[in-house]
Amino acid sequence: EAQVTQNPRYLITVTGKKLTVTCSQNMNHEYMSWYRQDPGLGLRQIYYSMNVEVTDKGDVPEGYKVSRKEKRNFPLILESPSPNQTSLYFCASTQGTSGGPNTGELFFGEGSRLTVL
Amino acid sequence: AQRVTQPEKLLSVFKGAPVELKCNYSYSGSPELFWYVQYSRQRLQLLLRHISRESIKGFTADLNKGETSFHLKKPFAQEEDSAMYYCALLWISSGSARQLTFGSGTQLTVLP
Repeated sequence: EAQVTQNPRYLITVTGKKLTVTCSQNMNHEYMSWYRQDPGLGLRQIYYSMNVEVTDKGDVPEGYKVSRKEKRNFPLILESPSPNQTSLYFCASTQGTSGGPNTGELFFGEGSRLTVL
Repeated sequence: AQRVTQPEKLLSVFKGAPVELKCNYSYSGSPELFWYVQYSRQRLQLLLRHISRESIKGFTADLNKGETSFHLKKPFAQEEDSAMYYCALLWISSGSARQLTFGSGTQLTVLP
C-alpha cells in the first residue's frame, strides 16, 4: 500500500533528551516535508527536502534538524527538546512534475504526537 | 508575503443546510489553491484543487482572484462532513522552490 509512515506515533519525553521521529514513504516521491500542527495555528512547515541531500528551512525550523540521505526517508531530529515543541507532527511527501518537485498534492503520515515535559 | 487566512476556527451547521468555509489568500504571483480535510482519526488528505474545477463529495470551490478568495461550499451538509478543513496556497519561493502554506483551519461540525 502506498503510504507515508511515521514513528513513533506517540511519545512523551523530558526536556533535553534527544529524540528522532522517523518518516518513510514508499512512493518514490522526490519532495518531503515536516509540519507541526498546533491549535489555532494550523499547519506550519518545519523543514522540507526537494530531493536526496537537498534540505531547506520552512517557517519554524528552530530547534529541529533533518537529513535526507535516502529518497524514502526523512527523519526529524530534536537535539534538545523543550516544552514548546510539544505538538502534533506530520510528515508529507509528493511527486514532482516538470513544474517542480512539489505539486501541492501532499500525502501525509498519520502524525506523531510529542509531549515534552 | 504569502498568507492564507481562514477566519472561522469553528463552524456549526445543521444537516441539510448549506455550508461555506471561507478562505482568503495573499500572494503576488499566480496562485494555486487547495482544500485539505482531516476527518477524526484519519490522515490529512487532499479534498480538491482549484485547477481541477471538480466537485468532490459535493464540495466545490471557486478561485476568485478579484477578492483573493477560495471559499469551500456545499449546498446540503451531511454529518459525515464533520472534520477539520485546511485551505492551502502553493507558491514559489525566492529559491524557486514550490511551497505549500496552510491556513489555520476550520473545524466544521454538522449537527443532526
